[in-house]
Amino acid sequence: DAKTTQPTSMDCAEGRAANLPCNHSTISGNEYVYWYRQIHSQGPQYIIHGLKNNETNEMASLIITEDRKSSTLILPHATLRDTAVYYCIALIQGAQKLVFGQGTRLTINP
Amino acid sequence: NAGVMQNPRHLVRRRGQEARLRCSPMKGHSHVYWYRQLPEEGLKFMVYLQKENIIDESGMPKERFSAEFPKEGPSILRIQQVVRGDSAAYFCASSPYGEAGYTFGSGTRLTVV
Repeated sequence: DAKTTQPTSMDCAEGRAANLPCNHSTISGNEYVYWYRQIHSQGPQYIIHGLKNNETNEMASLIITEDRKSSTLILPHATLRDTAVYYCIALIQGAQKLVFGQGTRLTINP
Repeated sequence: NAGVMQNPRHLVRRRGQEARLRCSPMKGHSHVYWYRQLPEEGLKFMVYLQKENIIDESGMPKERFSAEFPKEGPSILRIQQVVRGDSAAYFCASSPYGEAGYTFGSGTRLTVV
């Protein structure tokens, strides 16, 4: 699976959109981009995944660049409860094993 | 619809004892995954099971650790002769079709004293 690179930490004001970047320049054509988050001491929570089209669900939007070398997770109206570590993972279609890196520690400030 | 249930939430064992961690997947889910998170470290895959079968145990330590997912009942992660280095949070996840967008439980925090 392709390596992903994320900033170590980010801050965002409550109520604003939080945009979390992820670089995956070596991603192959059959690798999906998955996003999970882990709120302190809790189990990881699946957020969203995509292959090449932009995706949106009730939690977030995922924007993947046309060349697929990077993506951005967007939390449209961040709340304090969105404070967490966010993980971007590249995963071959059909693979089961998630490889968690260090992620981005997102802090939402009041 | 209950989520992935793990118990106990907290488990304290003395060195040399056995630890049994239980995971009940979501209803209708037949794929179970175990991950471990050591203090101040990231999550590491341990094992992937389907009913009565171990599919991928590439992340399991070679000794003292075993996992099962019987036809009936929860999945069990068993650690024999625990050592202090086994102290960690152990998370279980499940999915219905073996896809990676799976649901995690709240974890079992194992402390070895």
